[in-house]
Amino acid sequence: GENVEQHPSTLSVQEGDSAVIKCTYSDSASNYFPWYKQELGKRPQLIIDIRSNVGEKKDQRIAVTLNKTAKHFSLHITETQPEDSAVYFCAAPGKNAGGTSYGKLTFGQGTILTVHP
Amino acid sequence: DAGITQSPRHKVTETGTPVTLRCHQTENHRYMYWYRQDPGHGLRLIHYSYGVKDTDKGEVSDGYSVSRSKTEDFLLTLESATSSQTSVYFCAIRAGRILSGNTIYFGEGSWLTVV
Repeated sequence: GENVEQHPSTLSVQEGDSAVIKCTYSDSASNYFPWYKQELGKRPQLIIDIRSNVGEKKDQRIAVTLNKTAKHFSLHITETQPEDSAVYFCAAPGKNAGGTSYGKLTFGQGTILTVHP
Repeated sequence: DAGITQSPRHKVTETGTPVTLRCHQTENHRYMYWYRQDPGHGLRLIHYSYGVKDTDKGEVSDGYSVSRSKTEDFLLTLESATSSQTSVYFCAIRAGRILSGNTIYFGEGSWLTVV
């Protein structure tokens, strides 16, 4: 199945700085890469995603880049604010033995982002 | 919230007792999932369903069973709860058309403590 590695596990930045979180995946057939944000005690919520036919996608202060050759993708947050403090998860589709994903996602271990005022 | 309701939201149970968590959705989604979340492990898939009576195992299925007798309900059962199953359990659904990708939306979570 798919294996997703996420780094760093914790990230501390000053307000206004940029933050970058990186993930690698193992299955070259994976074609969809979402990022989720989880605030304390809340559910994970999708913040941005990218498909394999696109190299970069941007939504206001957040962007995601994808390098299919190297099998890694990254989340970039610019002009960080204290409300960006949360746990961030990357994910990639997982497949069963028959090669079907059924929409399953394999998640990275998460990155705790702290933005200091 | 993609119309997902989990129950119970919080439960404390004793080792060896059976526990059932319910996930209810109101928007006729075909695909449903149960994940558990533990510190340092992210979200790990327990079981998933791709239709009524169609289920399969995820990466951490030992000690868990599921049932889906109707589209709107996906039940997760711990046959004999152990302390290692203390966790936060998230139900999720896949929304959108096939070409829109595997967008998964989560329920609010069920906090389970096994003592």
